[in-house]
Amino acid sequence: DAKTTQPPSMDCAEGRAANLPCNHSTISGNEYVYWYRQIHSQGPQYIIHGLKNNETNEMASLIITEDRKSSTLILPHATLRDTAVYYCIVSPTGTASKLTFGTGTRLQVTL
Amino acid sequence: DTGVSQNPRHKITKRGQNVTFRCDPISEHNRLYWYRQTLGQGPEFLTYFQNEAQLEKSRLLSDRFSAERPKGSFSTLEIQRTEQGDSAMYLCASSLGTSGTKNIQYFGAGTRLSVL
Repeated sequence: DAKTTQPPSMDCAEGRAANLPCNHSTISGNEYVYWYRQIHSQGPQYIIHGLKNNETNEMASLIITEDRKSSTLILPHATLRDTAVYYCIVSPTGTASKLTFGTGTRLQVTL
Repeated sequence: DTGVSQNPRHKITKRGQNVTFRCDPISEHNRLYWYRQTLGQGPEFLTYFQNEAQLEKSRLLSDRFSAERPKGSFSTLEIQRTEQGDSAMYLCASSLGTSGTKNIQYFGAGTRLSVL
């Protein structure tokens, strides 16, 4: 069973920030939050992950609430190539760490 | 290209036939995963290897499915006596390990199976 809840779809205008929310209210202390995305007909692509601090890399920023029950993935300047399904996944470290995907959020970036 | 490679990209077969897919992970990645994805759904875990040892199998992996990773390098996934319900995208991923950054899984482009 997926441990995360995401809206099924979102729209964003090109050049604007895309803020994708994720609820993971049952997250455990040893579980990381991972974000992947899947562009049509391709395999999932890793974006970013975090434990409790906010994280930023060249692709995105990850904001995790203080109680760790939710997070937001931010694409600061969305482009048409960011149109994809975005998956928020919680996964423990130090174990097999198979990824349990939900149905994700389909982000449509428009002109 | 040093990413995860999967072959073939597409496979069309008749019901009852056997099929085999191959996955070449990123060099030096000791963990290799297989997932299956049907239309409109996220990928579902099937099995994973650490080096040549198959350490976990999902209940989704029926007796008709078998996976191997000889010598801890490439892996094969075989489906015997295919059924129409086996039609899906089969994804392979690899990772260095399971601690923090090492648990990042890198996916191949997948093999799309169509069973007629």
